[in-house]
Amino acid sequence: AQSVAQPEDQVNVAEGNPLTVKCTYSVSGNPYLFWYVQYPNRGLQFLLKYITGDNLVKGSYGFEAEFNKSQTSFHLKKPSALVSDSALYFCAVRITGGGNKLTFGTGTQLKVEL
Amino acid sequence: DAGVTQSPTHLIKTRGQQVTLRCSPKSGHDTVSWYQQALGQGPQFIFQYYEEEERQRGNFPDRFSGHQFPNYSSELNVNALLLGDSALYLCASSLESWGALLFFGPGTRLTVL
Repeated sequence: AQSVAQPEDQVNVAEGNPLTVKCTYSVSGNPYLFWYVQYPNRGLQFLLKYITGDNLVKGSYGFEAEFNKSQTSFHLKKPSALVSDSALYFCAVRITGGGNKLTFGTGTQLKVEL
Repeated sequence: DAGVTQSPTHLIKTRGQQVTLRCSPKSGHDTVSWYQQALGQGPQFIFQYYEEEERQRGNFPDRFSGHQFPNYSSELNVNALLLGDSALYLCASSLESWGALLFFGPGTRLTVL
């Protein structure tokens, strides 16, 4: 079965500092990996995805993620955090042959403070 | 482009009742998926509709059913509501092609009392 794990329920970072939100995955095939962000009382917004190719993926709002096959990780990063980045972040995986079904992690609450 | 829209925004029901949630996909999209997001949890896949048929289903009981109309809009029906059905129900639309990106609606907040 496919799964993703987000080991941190909450990440706190000061504005201007780099941020990392961790994600590890477990799949039997080749993974498609995604990051989504959710603001209060809103649906999920797509940030970026990895399908194949370059292990460093750049996405919306200055976010990027690094695919590491040996560590089965797909950590979300941003060089300089903004207060407006404070939100709930979800990692998700889809596998070949799994249709368009996404399996989500439990989410990480990011809090960026002044 | 209106994006994915869902109605109603909020809904309060009592145990044993039935509920219908509605979703209109993003323009040009032909596939609709439904997810349940319980408080403090990640979204869980319920099912997916394409060409008016359920194509894939998650681990949800038969109380959860759906429908897709010829205009690609969709409904999620839940019968015999339980307290545990209280959640945010998210609709996502996409194109049928493999690897297509999912676009999510704002969700319907269902509270079962």
